[in-house]
Amino acid sequence: KAGVTQTPRYLIKTRGQQVTLSCSPISGHRSVSWYQQTPGQGLQFLFEYFSETQRNKGNFPGRFSGRQFSNSRSEMNVSTLELGDSALYLCASSLGDLNTEAFFGQGTRLTVV
Amino acid sequence: GENVEQHPSTLSVQEGDSAVIKCTYSDSASNYFPWYKQELGKRPQLIIDIRSNVGEKKDQRIAVTLNKTAKHFSLHITETQPEDSAVYFCAAKGGGNTPLVFGKGTRLSVIA
Repeated sequence: KAGVTQTPRYLIKTRGQQVTLSCSPISGHRSVSWYQQTPGQGLQFLFEYFSETQRNKGNFPGRFSGRQFSNSRSEMNVSTLELGDSALYLCASSLGDLNTEAFFGQGTRLTVV
Repeated sequence: GENVEQHPSTLSVQEGDSAVIKCTYSDSASNYFPWYKQELGKRPQLIIDIRSNVGEKKDQRIAVTLNKTAKHFSLHITETQPEDSAVYFCAAKGGGNTPLVFGKGTRLSVIA
């Protein structure tokens, strides 16, 4: 079956702009989590959506937001981009039940200039 | 919320030697501990996981141990090979619908 798909793979944006990233989970998976990956900081949790509801939220400013659609596809939005937002953004999907494997997408590389 | 500390941040070993990566977690309710491997330019992939009702789990050359009392768990790789070179992440998930929280990663280099 198809894996987790993220689009676009690469993005270059200017400070102050906004950006929307997309994640299509594995078919049947209802949970989608988003992570920001930067050198030295590992995978920092942004938020998790389950059945169209935000189930968990990490410690990121309100400029970072997300949503999930009825088909479980998820988007995250970053407004008023800052240079420090440059990172690899990864989404992971899972069944959403307790203690089930999370499958990662290949990520979106965002560069803010 | 959960906090996961991972050590060391970098590790170099000779081919054939063993490698050990250690993690500690803060939430005593955590009950699921996966390990992910991320090769350069690729997505993280699960290599092994352990649940709180088990103290050790092995899969060929890799093993994970869990000490719930001390709240730490470790990844052991024996007979390392150059293809083991990657960044390894530990993670912990608490009870209920809590998120999967990752450590900052360990860059393992296996020198041939």
